[in-house]
Amino acid sequence: TQLLEQSPQFLSIQEGENLTVYCNSSSVFSSLQWYRQEPGEGPVLLVTVVTGGEVKKLKRLTFQFGDARKDSSLHITAAQPGDTGLYLCAGASAAGNKLTFGGGTRVLVKP
Amino acid sequence: NAGVMQNPRHLVRRRGQEARLRCSPMKGHSHVYWYRQLPEEGLKFMVYLQKENIIDESGMPKERFSAEFPKEGPSILRIQQVVRGDSAAYFCASSRGLTNEQYFGPGTRLTVT
Repeated sequence: TQLLEQSPQFLSIQEGENLTVYCNSSSVFSSLQWYRQEPGEGPVLLVTVVTGGEVKKLKRLTFQFGDARKDSSLHITAAQPGDTGLYLCAGASAAGNKLTFGGGTRVLVKP
Repeated sequence: NAGVMQNPRHLVRRRGQEARLRCSPMKGHSHVYWYRQLPEEGLKFMVYLQKENIIDESGMPKERFSAEFPKEGPSILRIQQVVRGDSAAYFCASSRGLTNEQYFGPGTRLTVT
């Protein structure tokens, strides 16, 4: 069974600070996706990383996929209150037909 | 281009009733996935379907749960004789192809009283 562990579970920071969320597994995934979920809504796709060592930037968000494709990180620079939400990582199986989700990191950015 | 649509957004059922959840994938997407998010838990895969076929139902409870994706119309997740433990948010996702990214709908929140 593939498992994804996210850390920390909860993160509270002041506006302007940086933060990093980690997603770790003992299994290899064919790709890894990061989502953000607001209360009462479905997850919204932020990025997909496919290649080991890959780094993708989305404005103030930087996503990295580990060389062995077992772990990933999300770094937010100069966080804003609008970054508040539940961040989820999800690994795709080799067959590509199902996502295994981490438990999520709840981020609160205080103004 | 409309996203994944799910209805109803909220559904209340008494124990023993049936619940039917509908999902219309994004235009051009022929792969549908259902996930369940129990209170205070992460999203868990239930079933993967293509038109008229169930491809992988390894995450679906063996009893009372069924899913279909007919040639015409939305995908349906059906829960018979609901129990309180079925209360959860049920999300549908769709993708263009098997290895493409999955896009999620807003979910249906099922409450069993």
